[in-house]
Amino acid sequence: DVVMAQSPPSLPVTLGQPASISCRSSQSLARSDGKTYLNWFQQRPGQSPRRLIYEASNRDSGVPDRFSGSGSGTDFTLKISRVEAEDIGVYYCMQGAHWPGTFGQGTKVEIK
Amino acid sequence: EVQLVESGGDLVQPGRSLRLSCTASGFTFGDYTITWVRQVPGKGLEWVGFNRGEFQGALTEYAAPVKGRFTILRDDSKSIAYLQMNSLTSEDTAVYYCVRGYRSLGDYWGQGTLVTVSS
Repeated sequence: DVVMAQSPPSLPVTLGQPASISCRSSQSLARSDGKTYLNWFQQRPGQSPRRLIYEASNRDSGVPDRFSGSGSGTDFTLKISRVEAEDIGVYYCMQGAHWPGTFGQGTKVEIK
Repeated sequence: EVQLVESGGDLVQPGRSLRLSCTASGFTFGDYTITWVRQVPGKGLEWVGFNRGEFQGALTEYAAPVKGRFTILRDDSKSIAYLQMNSLTSEDTAVYYCVRGYRSLGDYWGQGTLVTVSS
């Protein structure tokens, strides 16, 4: 299975400051259709996961533009330009390029 | 409005069976793959399997921990997907989510249904 190494596991942040989460896959997530199947999810306490970014860099409808995804091949990053209180939760990367799909271990974003 | 609603979660004894349902609305169900993802409370997310409908070329795949015990079915005429779970163990205790999509998984998730396997 493709291993998704996500870091850091915990990210204390200051409101209004930027934050960054890294995700590395054990195999390339680029497929022959030209797409890179790396998604980012946010899970707030008590809620279902919500997709923020799909195919590495495409922001989902309704997702604030302070969230951005970048990367290619095996190295990916989720950035929050200015953290707001509602951004608290656990963030997961996920690859859908290879079966079975696999998730990172999660990054818990909390306020300092 | 797209909605996915899971049901059927329960407390069940080890070795028994349980069937979960995922009722969809707001989109053409047969056009989409349905994936099941589970989450042990307080832990991370794990793929269970997916079912790609006839329209896309029927295919069903299962993750290794559930292969041979779990079956994903769908009824496109009713917009319902099912997760039939047999020979349950304590390792299957989790919240089970029904999710739309496959490779670009997860534009829509259900609210989840809790399965607890315990004697």
